[in-house]
Amino acid sequence: GAGVSQSPSNKVTEKGKDVELRCDPISGHTALYWYRQSLGQGLEFLIYFQGNSAPDKSGLPSDRFSAERTGGSVSTLTIQRTQQEDSAVYLCASSLEAQARSNQPQHFGDGTRLSIL
Amino acid sequence: GQSLEQPSEVTAVEGAIVQINCTYQTSGFYGLSWYQQHDGGAPTFLSYNALDGLEETGRFSSFLSRSDSYGYLLLQELQMKDSASYFCAVYNQAGTALIFGKGTTLSVSS
Repeated sequence: GAGVSQSPSNKVTEKGKDVELRCDPISGHTALYWYRQSLGQGLEFLIYFQGNSAPDKSGLPSDRFSAERTGGSVSTLTIQRTQQEDSAVYLCASSLEAQARSNQPQHFGDGTRLSIL
Repeated sequence: GQSLEQPSEVTAVEGAIVQINCTYQTSGFYGLSWYQQHDGGAPTFLSYNALDGLEETGRFSSFLSRSDSYGYLLLQELQMKDSASYFCAVYNQAGTALIFGKGTTLSVSS
């Protein structure tokens, strides 16, 4: 597709379960980002990928959170032993390269709305 | 670290002009970005100012003053479809990720 695709769009799970969220970036975009947005809040940075490596994972809130990217394309964000405070919208974005020096905008997917019961 | 301040809510009527201010603190500055997000939707890029001054793109303009650590988004000829949340953002010190403000909810009424 032409845009960033995320799946599932909605996920409801019980506390303590593991979840996997998927992001399919725009073809050719080397930079990929995961953000989290709680209700009525701004976007909170989680992790940045350049190709398959993650030079900045400083935003991951705990060791229950991990992410990987394979083939320089699809990325998965995994949350283990989910807690109620993990409930949020998880947004993925991609750009041609890390924007700061090149003014490449980030293109966002519609997000995965995660609800932990 | 980085932090941004912007008003939480702004209301206006169709056809009016509204300005959304953003002040920031950052340990390394690359530029100020603005994103729009309609309720339940994906944030979309509006503008990026790396240098001082005004950038105009149709009905939307964005301004930056690096000496004042301040910028604003100006929306003219408001339309109902402009009702959305608007986020200012700056890059982290490494230049690898955006740090967003909490967003300004704009409500446009007829």
